[in-house]
Amino acid sequence: EAGVAQSPRYKIIEKRQSVAFWCNPISGHATLYWYQQILGQGPKLLIQFQNNGVVDDSQLPKDRFSAERLKGVDSTLKIQPAKLEDSAVYLCASSLVGRGLVSGYTFGSGTRLTVV
Amino acid sequence: QKEVEQDPGPLSVPEGAIVSLNCTYSNSAFQYFMWYRQYSRKGPELLMYTYSSGNKEDGRFTAQVDKSSKYISLFIRDSQPSDSATYLCAMNNAGNMLTFGGGTRLMVKP
Repeated sequence: EAGVAQSPRYKIIEKRQSVAFWCNPISGHATLYWYQQILGQGPKLLIQFQNNGVVDDSQLPKDRFSAERLKGVDSTLKIQPAKLEDSAVYLCASSLVGRGLVSGYTFGSGTRLTVV
Repeated sequence: QKEVEQDPGPLSVPEGAIVSLNCTYSNSAFQYFMWYRQYSRKGPELLMYTYSSGNKEDGRFTAQVDKSSKYISLFIRDSQPSDSATYLCAMNNAGNMLTFGGGTRLMVKP
C-alpha cells in the first residue's frame, strides 16, 4: 500500500511569513495526526482528526496554527505568522479507526521547516 | 519533569553487539508501549508494541515492559550497521494520543 504522502519536503521562510503543509494519508485511514518534531526531541501531537472532525487539538497553538481535513481525506496545516521557534519537522501520520491505540501509526517523511 | 524520559545518546556499538535501549515514565495510566525507529530525514516507523507488562520478541528485537518500575526496554541482538538510527519509545493510555520520549541515537559500527 502507498504510504503517507507529505509535501513539500523542505521549506525555508522568514519569520512572520505564512506557510502551509499538505498531507495525504493512507487510503481508508480515518484517523489523521499532525506532529511537531523539534530537532533532538520526540514528536509532539498538534492535532488529531477522525474523518472530518477534530478529536484533540489541545496542544495546537491556535493563535498561529490552523489545520483542516477536507472530505475526511487530505489535510493541511498552516502557520501564520511563523516564529523562529516553529523551526521543526512537521510529521503527518494516519491509522485505521481504533487501531492507533494498539498498532501505532504510519508516519510520512515529514516537512522540514526552517524559519529565519 | 517530562512524562517520558529517554537517554539521547549517542550510543555507539560494534557490529554484532547486543544493544539495550531504555525509557522511564511517570504516568502510571500508560498501558500501551511502542518502539519506533527513525532514520535520518524519515518519519518514525513502528518496530514493536506491547500491552501492559511482560516481554515480546520479534526476530532480533525484544521489548520488555516493567510497569511496577515504570521502565521499558528494547534489546537488539546481533546489531547491524543498518540498525543505526534514532529509536523512540512511545506510550499511551486509553486514548490515541502517543507520548514520545526524546529518542536515543544509535550507531552500529562495522
